[in-house]
Amino acid sequence: DGGITQSPKYLFRKEGQNVTLSCEQNLNHDAMYWYRQDPGQGLRLIYYSQIVNDFQKGDIAEGYSVSREKKESFPLTVTSAQKNPTAFYLCASSIESQASGYNEQFFGPGTRLTVL
Amino acid sequence: QQPVQSPQAVILREGEDAVINCSSSKALYSVHWYRQKHGEAPVFLMILLKGGEQKGHDKISASFNEKKQQSSLYLTASQLSYSGTYFCGTEYNYGQNFVFGPGTRLSVLP
Repeated sequence: DGGITQSPKYLFRKEGQNVTLSCEQNLNHDAMYWYRQDPGQGLRLIYYSQIVNDFQKGDIAEGYSVSREKKESFPLTVTSAQKNPTAFYLCASSIESQASGYNEQFFGPGTRLTVL
Repeated sequence: QQPVQSPQAVILREGEDAVINCSSSKALYSVHWYRQKHGEAPVFLMILLKGGEQKGHDKISASFNEKKQQSSLYLTASQLSYSGTYFCGTEYNYGQNFVFGPGTRLSVLP
């Protein structure tokens, strides 16, 4: 089955520690995204990558870092510089379809990070 | 710029109808609608491209008014399973990143 996997589902860390969230997709999608969701709020874009070895900052990139060494993988590191890291993190991927004229984003199940 | 969604929340009885609106201050290329259950990932519902088309999906349909830069999601004869938070994602140009609205929380009661 094709899809996006994120692990772990729940993650606890002590303040001041870096933590890396995993995101893997086997949909052969070119683009991948990381979003942050806080209670009662919409999705805010952290980083995105259109192709391997290239990524761009989103709206709230400060305190986060990413890498895109493989098409299938787009891990997100939440660094100690991120002031309020506790949130629900969603990874997504999409494929450009010039034939159909739209992008559709597929989301992973999310990782809920709690920093103590 | 984040699109505006209205209402923020709505409570329905099973079988009632609802309309959720998504408005933008900028011209839109497309609008995407998602539903998210608590603690889960958003699930894609439908996409509307500029051109004013309307789409349907079971008893959920949507329209896109390019002139008003607005999309509306129509839920007809709501079911308990419709409960969740509905997000619109807007794309201003083809290939640009989505900007999601703050969401509309829908609760369907028996």
